[in-house]
Amino acid sequence: NAGVTQTPKFRILKIGQSMTLQCTQDMNHNYMYWYRQDPGMGLKLIYYSVGAGITDKGEVPNGYNVSRSTTEDFPLRLELAAPSQTSVYFCASSWVDEQYFGPGTRLTVT
Amino acid sequence: KNQVEQSPQSLIILEGKNCTLQCNYTVSPFSNLRWYKQDTGRGPVSLTIMTFSENTKSNGRYTATLDADTKQSSLHITASQLSDSASYICVVIRSNFGNEKLTFGTGTRLTIIP
Repeated sequence: NAGVTQTPKFRILKIGQSMTLQCTQDMNHNYMYWYRQDPGMGLKLIYYSVGAGITDKGEVPNGYNVSRSTTEDFPLRLELAAPSQTSVYFCASSWVDEQYFGPGTRLTVT
Repeated sequence: KNQVEQSPQSLIILEGKNCTLQCNYTVSPFSNLRWYKQDTGRGPVSLTIMTFSENTKSNGRYTATLDADTKQSSLHITASQLSDSASYICVVIRSNFGNEKLTFGTGTRLTIIP
């Protein structure tokens, strides 16, 4: 049982480039989430999903897109990377109360 | 405005000593409160979940308290160990018609020195 896995661990992007952050969970959780964590700030919710085929915006969705075609996978897409998107990104999943977090992806946009 | 404030921002204590971390919140309507431990370079891991009716909950050397009237919570760590060095994040959940919203504090960075 690997829990929540994220790839890549680190990535450096140039301004305007695109990329997809991958997130997979093997706990059969319906709920999945994407957060970003900026230095000295609390985690902010980007997008979440309550099940396959259903996604919704969180607090800070601008500049990101998501899809949820399967229960296991919840990729986060950055279309035109900007320096403001430099952050650590965490994926999480939950069943009822408790959220389980992945190890994070550290993204730098220069 | 829904906010979670934690204090202190950082704390350094000697191994074996106790410490208490504070969390004040203005989140409404309140559903439950969680404390997470985040090791450097890792995702947060849940320590405790406290509902409105719970005043105290323990998880090994960690004891969380909740005063829903004053909207305050604390996390007490007993007999600290080097492995307790981490950020501790207070998260308050508000629930509106089954839709949960999490508000994260900025965390307290705890360093245990030998």
